[in-house]
Amino acid sequence: NAGVMQNPRHLVRRRGQEARLRCSPMKGHSHVYWYRQLPEEGLKFMVYLQKENIIDESGMPKERFSAEFPKEGPSILRIQQVVRGDSAAYFCASSPNRGREQYFGPGTRLTVT
Amino acid sequence: QQPVQSPQAVILREGEDAVINCSSSKALYSVHWYRQKHGEAPVFLMILLKGGEQKGHDKISASFNEKKQQSSLYLTASQLSYSGTYFCGTEGEGGSEKLVFGKGTKLTVNP
Repeated sequence: NAGVMQNPRHLVRRRGQEARLRCSPMKGHSHVYWYRQLPEEGLKFMVYLQKENIIDESGMPKERFSAEFPKEGPSILRIQQVVRGDSAAYFCASSPNRGREQYFGPGTRLTVT
Repeated sequence: QQPVQSPQAVILREGEDAVINCSSSKALYSVHWYRQKHGEAPVFLMILLKGGEQKGHDKISASFNEKKQQSSLYLTASQLSYSGTYFCGTEGEGGSEKLVFGKGTKLTVNP
């Protein structure tokens, strides 16, 4: 059973460009979570999605950030008009059900130049 | 409200024991523990639900005291592979599924 997959693993964008981060959950998992992690810091919750639904986006900045988890295909975290402060590691995690353990993907390291 | 982890860092010699604590100011439904090695993804260790349960596998175990809103992770006879940063993630009493992570405890095990 393949684990959570994320791509790309590393992404470099210039200020003002768009960044698209993809996450394919473990087989059988329909719950996806996105987290952001700055160097030497903990994981900050961004958004929780179930298939086609955003359940909790309380950790997501109101502007420039959006997330989706379509019926078919991976979950996408989209950052428009990136700024230097968006540079971080972005992890997604999947879970088989509400309140269950979350399994993390390898992360996407975003660098904004 | 972010849970508070203590200590922030600990250095052990192989074979020694360690305890990592996680405290919250709000009522909790569950506590999750993860270990992350530098440059890698967090790895799930265990989940504890309210009810004061204790869990463990191999030489790593944990307890959850819901009255005190705190959890402790116990590492006994530490191995070199235990090195990494340990995070607790807490879920509020409403079972919101959103995990709020502490800042982490960096554990270094030396030969």
